[in-house]
Amino acid sequence: SQQGEEDPQALSIQEGENATMNCSYKTSINNLQWYRQNSGRGLVHLILIRSNEREKHSGRLRVTLDTSKKSSSLLITASRAADTASYFCATPSGNTGKLIFGQGTTLQVKP
Amino acid sequence: DTAVSQTPKYLVTQMGNDKSIKCEQNLGHDTMYWYKQDSKKFLKIMFSYNNKELIINETVPNRFSPKSPDKAHLNLHINSLELGDSAVYFCASSQAWQGSGNTIYFGEGSWLTVV
Repeated sequence: SQQGEEDPQALSIQEGENATMNCSYKTSINNLQWYRQNSGRGLVHLILIRSNEREKHSGRLRVTLDTSKKSSSLLITASRAADTASYFCATPSGNTGKLIFGQGTTLQVKP
Repeated sequence: DTAVSQTPKYLVTQMGNDKSIKCEQNLGHDTMYWYKQDSKKFLKIMFSYNNKELIINETVPNRFSPKSPDKAHLNLHINSLELGDSAVYFCASSQAWQGSGNTIYFGEGSWLTVV
């Protein structure tokens, strides 16, 4: 079963609007990562948040982590057409700490 | 310079053929991976090597055989290709094992189509 699941699966917004994507996971974690994948490209690391952190910022990105609800959210503020991509959360699973990726949220930002 | 490079980018081949995908990283990382992404974008780890040693071998058919000649290279050889092998294969690397919060650096992917 998937460790991390993103919601929504697809999101379409206008340029300038904010985009929020959510990730839920099943087991306790010590960190959670978010990645972006542009169409036809590899995944690129965006941000990592550790279990003792509640919120983290990087430029226009804001990530929150609620370990009690086993969920995280990624907020992109003032979105741009270039933000159009799929966004994945990844969490370590089990004894191995192997990262499990969710199915991703496909974000379309219309100019 | 590309950090993680893999070749070929596109590969179309017939069922039953054998093919290889090569991967090199110039980041000085100790750990390398092969991932498979299916048409629904699910990304699953297939193999992981640390300093040329196999540390993760997921439930992958033994037609898939990774080879790491040195810690900067991890190649993937696939025998007797099947239609279901069609997917995007990503090579990746990290400084150390990913479970410790190490960032994974991905290659651009190899699009394999089996016809």
